[in-house]
Formats: sequence, structure tokens, C-alpha cells
Amino acid sequence: ETGVTQSPTHLIKTRGQQVTLRCSSQSGHNTVSWYQQALGQGPQFIFQYYREEENGRGNFPPRFSGLQFPNYSSELNVNALELDDSALYLCASSFPTSGYQETQYFGPGTRLLVL
Amino acid sequence: AQRVTQPEKLLSVFKGAPVELKCNYSYSGSPELFWYVQYSRQRLQLLLRHISRESIKGFTADLNKGETSFHLKKPFAQEEDSAMYYCALSGGYGQNFVFGPGTRLSVLP
Repeated sequence: ETGVTQSPTHLIKTRGQQVTLRCSSQSGHNTVSWYQQALGQGPQFIFQYYREEENGRGNFPPRFSGLQFPNYSSELNVNALELDDSALYLCASSFPTSGYQETQYFGPGTRLLVL
Repeated sequence: AQRVTQPEKLLSVFKGAPVELKCNYSYSGSPELFWYVQYSRQRLQLLLRHISRESIKGFTADLNKGETSFHLKKPFAQEEDSAMYYCALSGGYGQNFVFGPGTRLSVLP
């Protein structure tokens, strides 16, 4: 059973640019969630995808968008980067078996620095 | 609004002492509550969730709906418990998943 992987591990961009972060879910998991973790804070929920459709969204502007592919891998896209977008971006996969929020398995994160 | 607060940024205890990590929440409804832990150089992982009513690594947490709290407790702290602990809530599958700011637990020898 392979765990959640993310790429790249680190990334440096300049203000106004666009970035794509990638996540490969744990084997058998069809749900992926993305989080932003600023330094010294807890993760903040960006959105969740289930079977290629957005299934929930936190308080983030539309320039944060995502995709989930048929193999359940996922991308987070951020347009028009701002300095405050500098953070650790985490993805987490899960497999819902009931109406409850199932255990999420986190990746190691991608650290984004916007200059 | 959904919110999770953890009043202590840092908690230091001696090995063998009891430990309690505080978590309070605000949510209009019946939330699911979780504790996640991040050990040094490791990824974030689930420690326990209230619906399971489990004891993991000696830790327990009771959901108190009257006080809107979900404090994490362990009667005898071990050095390997030193880590960052996050309390989190969810309104259910697909709902906003809210993390607290975290408490760093340091267990001294």
C-alpha cells in the first residue's frame, strides 16, 4: 500500500505567476482534500474532491482551483500568486465508507514561497 | 461560524506527569472531532476521533457538548509524546474541515 505523495517538495514563484501542485492519493482512496498551512498555524481547508468533482470548499478565492483525475490523483492550481500564498500545501486522501468524515491520510506537503 | 481554539501554543511537562491538551470549538450542529499529531520530521497523522471512543498510545479525549470541548489527556506522559498536536472538527463528509492552531507538547526527561 503506497502512501500519499506530493510534488514538488519545494517551489519558488514570483507574485502574479501561476502554480500547479500535484498529489497522488493513497491506493484505493477516491477522495482528496487540499489544505494551506501558513507558518505557525494549523492547516486551513481549501477544498475536497470526490470522484473528480468538487465536494466541499473552504473560504478561499476562485483563483484557487483543483482537478481530480480518473486515477484519483489531483492538482491544486493557484493563479495570480500573492505574497500571502507562501505556505505549506498539504493534500490528504480518504475513502468514505459512511456519512462520516473518514480518516484522512496526509502527504508530506509542498512548500511554496512567493517573492 | 466554525472555529477551533487551542489556548496553549506550548506545553511542557516532565516524563511521567499527566498531560492535558485543551481544545474548544464552536459549531452549530453535531460536529465530528479529531486529534491529529505531527512528530518531528513526519507527516500529519490521525491520533484519535471522538466517534471511535478509542485510546491510542494512552491518549483519550472526551467530547463535552455542554462545554464545547474535546480535551486530549494522558495520565503519564512519555518523551516520545513530544510533538505538535492539532484539534480539528468537521461537520461531516464533504464539509469544511477546521483545524486549530496547534499545541506543541514537550515532554522533558
